[in-house]
Order: sequence, then C-alpha cells, then structure tokens
Amino acid sequence: SQKIEQNSEALNIQEGKTATLTCNYTNYSPAYLQWYRQDPGRGPVFLLLIRENEKEKRKERLKVTFDTTLKQSLFHITASQPADSATYLCALRNTGGFKTIFGAGTRLFVKA
Amino acid sequence: GAVVSQHPSWVICKSGTSVKIECRSLDFQATTMFWYRQFPKQSLMLMATSNEGSKATYEQGVEKDKFLINHASLTLSTLTVTSAHPEDSSFYICSATEEEPGLAASYEQYFGPGTRLTVT
Repeated sequence: SQKIEQNSEALNIQEGKTATLTCNYTNYSPAYLQWYRQDPGRGPVFLLLIRENEKEKRKERLKVTFDTTLKQSLFHITASQPADSATYLCALRNTGGFKTIFGAGTRLFVKA
Repeated sequence: GAVVSQHPSWVICKSGTSVKIECRSLDFQATTMFWYRQFPKQSLMLMATSNEGSKATYEQGVEKDKFLINHASLTLSTLTVTSAHPEDSSFYICSATEEEPGLAASYEQYFGPGTRLTVT
C-alpha cells in the first residue's frame, strides 16, 4: 500500500542552524510533492510544491529537494528561528491529481 | 490570499447527538472541497471530496450515512456527524480549491483552521 514516512521523533535544533526534515515514500509515483506547516490545533499551511521533473526548489529560507529514484524529499530551513517551531507535513499527489496523501509530520523545535 | 474558515472551532457534544461543521471559502469560489480527519500525532486522512451541487465521493471505510456532506454552494460545505460516539472525537479539517483536481493536478489546496470535536 502507499506509504509516506516522516521521522516521528521530534527534531531539536539551535537557532541559526539549518533544519533538515526527511520524507520517504513507497508504492507511489507522485507527480507533485508538497510541504506544509501545521501548528498545534490549526490546519496545515502550504509552503512549497515541487514537481517530479524538478530536483530542487527554493523559497526564501526554505529549500526542497525531490529524488524520485530514492523516493525521497528533503526539506531544509536555513537560519532557523524559534518561530519556525511547528510540525511539517509532507504530501504527495499523483498525475491524476485527485487526491493528496499526507505523512504524519515531523515536529521541529528551534531553541533560542 | 485564499482564506478558508471553519465553524465552530471546537465543539463538545453528548453521545448520540449530531453535530454540523461548516466550511467556507471567504474570497474565492471553491469548486471542490475536501474533508479530512486527524487523530493526535497522525496524518490527515481524507474522508470525502465534494463538488458543488453533486454528491460527495467518500473514501473507503468512511460511512456516508454517518458523515453527511453537503456542498450547497461554491463557498459553503457542511459536514454533519450523525449519532456521534466518543470514537468520532477528532480534529476535522476542510480544504478547498478553485480548480477541478482531475483536470489540473497542480491545484493549490487551501486549508481551514480545523474543528476539534469531543464526544462525551
């Protein structure tokens, strides 16, 4: 069955460092991979979308890579700030595009 | 930017009663709306997809008679949890898009803030 794996353990880093979160998937060939931010008790907020033919995408302090051979995406936050503390969700969508499937997310804590 | 609201943000109800949750797109017309459920520390699970004016498409394992979805207009969809039980307690999140997902897979999906349902 289709599966998305994100590190269930929280990631703790120091302010100013780069946070790197991993998303691995199996039994799926996504056309699009997205990253969302979710704060406690809130709905997800869209951050970045990367297509299957793109290797890397950047937006301000965020960088996403997409390796369809490894079936993996890495999400980087550079110069991290305490305000970046949240849960980050990886989501996949196939070419048919009708449905998005989500990972369980990785909780990030950035310490001042 | 595109904003989706949900009401109420939280609700507590007694077992056996029904609860209605509203999802509104405030500044765009939502051709398609999605309803998700999220348990603590778990991923969002899609419950159903609805298009304005037509019946919702439910995911496998989701009881359509228990979770009634009505996409009455291009800005409003409602989810009614009928005869709620404690196991229905969860975080319910809607999302909306202006596009028809089957036509353009790159559609952007806007999420509401969620509704916390607690059934006692």
